[in-house]
Amino acid sequence: DTGVSQDPRHKITKRGQNVTFRCDPISEHNRLYWYRQTLGQGPEFLTYFQNEAQLEKSRLLSDRFSAERPKGSFSTLEIQRTEQGDSAMYLCASSQTATYEQYFGPGTRLTVT
Amino acid sequence: RKEVEQDPGPFNVPEGATVAFNCTYSNSASQSFFWYRQDCRKEPKLLMSVYSSGNEDGRFTAQLNRASQYISLLIRDSKLSDSATYLCVVNANYGGSQGNLIFGKGTKLSVKP
Repeated sequence: DTGVSQDPRHKITKRGQNVTFRCDPISEHNRLYWYRQTLGQGPEFLTYFQNEAQLEKSRLLSDRFSAERPKGSFSTLEIQRTEQGDSAMYLCASSQTATYEQYFGPGTRLTVT
Repeated sequence: RKEVEQDPGPFNVPEGATVAFNCTYSNSASQSFFWYRQDCRKEPKLLMSVYSSGNEDGRFTAQLNRASQYISLLIRDSKLSDSATYLCVVNANYGGSQGNLIFGKGTKLSVKP
């Protein structure tokens, strides 16, 4: 399978704990995006990378959120001191620079109890 | 005004029906337009890009009216397997933001036998 992969697929954590998610993009794609989706809403943009450079961060991305893409391949999204409002599906997508067509991974569903 | 607005739905149609979804967007500088399909608890999947000249892919036809900032999707001869949420998507193109996508809330389609 050469699509976008994400790990873990599900995560249940207690409020106040830190969590980290991983995304592996399609191999020839140099752009990688993180989105968050809650029930009944479309995905909302969080941040994106072109190669290893983080080019944009949404206002949704509070100081508790950090993302990295150290070698321009896989990316991690960390949430520190999780809150119940962080419960959502976290989606990763990738694209080539020349097109805005983005392909999504299966997502990580986070539940904060 | 929301950045991307869609018909709220749900649309409940019989097999074989033709159904149309409409969408408006607020940023006249947006350059790329898409329809994504999302099945329940799954990731969004790219259905088709939308071009100024309109484009067709089998039973699906997408149209764009830049003057009215309006996008449409027509599904002919609907199948049970078309049941899903259809997301209208435009690229952000303001200030330094170009790479990320802005999603509508989606319109739910249910095709009945």
